[in-house]
Amino acid sequence: AQSVSQHNHHVILSEAASLELGCNYSYGGTVNLFWYVQYPGQHLQLLLKYFSGDPLVKGIKGFEAEFIKSKFSFNLRKPSVQWSDTAEYFCAVDVVDYQLIWGAGTKLIIKP
Amino acid sequence: DTEVTQTPKHLVMGMTNKKSLKCEQHMGHRAMYWYKQKAKKPPELMFVYSYEKLSINESVPSRFSPECPNSSLLNLHLHALQPEDSALYLCASSQVRLSGNTIYFGEGSWLTVV
Repeated sequence: AQSVSQHNHHVILSEAASLELGCNYSYGGTVNLFWYVQYPGQHLQLLLKYFSGDPLVKGIKGFEAEFIKSKFSFNLRKPSVQWSDTAEYFCAVDVVDYQLIWGAGTKLIIKP
Repeated sequence: DTEVTQTPKHLVMGMTNKKSLKCEQHMGHRAMYWYKQKAKKPPELMFVYSYEKLSINESVPSRFSPECPNSSLLNLHLHALQPEDSALYLCASSQVRLSGNTIYFGEGSWLTVV
């Protein structure tokens, strides 16, 4: 069965630190990849997505992600985090119509 | 801000009550979804409507009854719920393509069953 793994369940960083959140999926075919963010008490917002083309995709709020097909990975990065980036981050993969397969999420806490 | 609006934002209901959650989108999307999200967990798919027809029901108990009156509206009727049904209920929408559908979420309705 297809699955999505987010390696870190909790990440704590200081402001201005660089961020990389891991996401790996298990599916050998064509995939569409997403990162969503959920700020405390708020709804899920799309950060970025990859469907095809340039494997390095840029999203909102300075986030980017790189699709590495050979590693089945889609890691999220940000060069310098801010306190306002404190949130839950979810990686998701679309392999079947309408159904996203979700990672367990990574809770990111930024210390001011 | 999301273009998928949900009402009410908060709902407290007893186990014998009947209530409804409502969702509206004006993005011209023809797929609409209900998800359930427990704290600190990813959302779980409940139902999908495509072109106003129910296309996916993820074995959801019958005490949850979805309805899609038109392409912009989606309701979730609730009856005889259990305390474990307390959660954030998210409505979402997307276009309908062969692949690469981006799902946009509403702000959710926080449901507490007492």
